[in-house]
Amino acid sequence: DVVLTQTPPTLSATIGQSVSISCRSSQSLLHSNGNTYLHWLLQRPGQSPQLLIYLVSRLESGVPNRFSGSGSGTDFTLKISGVEAEDLGVYYCVQGTHAPWTFGGGTKLELK
Amino acid sequence: EVQLVESGGGLVQPGRSLKLSCAASGFTFSNYYMAWVRQAPKKGLEWVATISTSGSRTYYPDSVKGRFTISRDNAKSSLYLQMNSLKSEDTATYYCARLWSFWGPGTMVTVSS
Repeated sequence: DVVLTQTPPTLSATIGQSVSISCRSSQSLLHSNGNTYLHWLLQRPGQSPQLLIYLVSRLESGVPNRFSGSGSGTDFTLKISGVEAEDLGVYYCVQGTHAPWTFGGGTKLELK
Repeated sequence: EVQLVESGGGLVQPGRSLKLSCAASGFTFSNYYMAWVRQAPKKGLEWVATISTSGSRTYYPDSVKGRFTISRDNAKSSLYLQMNSLKSEDTATYYCARLWSFWGPGTMVTVSS
């Protein structure tokens, strides 16, 4: 199975600070069809996950553009350019290139 | 507005069965692959099952293969998860998801004697 390793596991930030979360895969997530099925989710406390970024870098409708995704192959990054209070929660990367689909262990974003 | 609402969770003894349902609205259900994802208490997310638009193709991780069955009724805009031979490690909140854009609020399943 593909293992997604997220770092750091916990991230402390102040409002307005820019932060990055890394997601490294145990194998390339480039599908034979040319797509890379790596997505980012945010789970706020007590809520269901919500999609932020899909296919590495595409911003989901309604998601603020302070969120951005980048990467290729096995290394991926989610960047938040100017953390806001509503961004607190646990961030997950998820891959859908290789069965079984797998999630990263999560990165908890806290206020410093 | 897209809505997904799960139901059917509860307390069940090990070895017994439970069937979860997910009522979908606000979109053309038959056009989308659907999935179940679970989250054990204070743990991360785990993919449980996916079903194609027609229901002809289903996918499972080894952890539930042979015990869980995903199905759908496009006429009723409903998704189901039949869970058999339940184990304590199946205790989790189960989410219905329209990959990956929309998620339901989840339904809790507790497997305990």
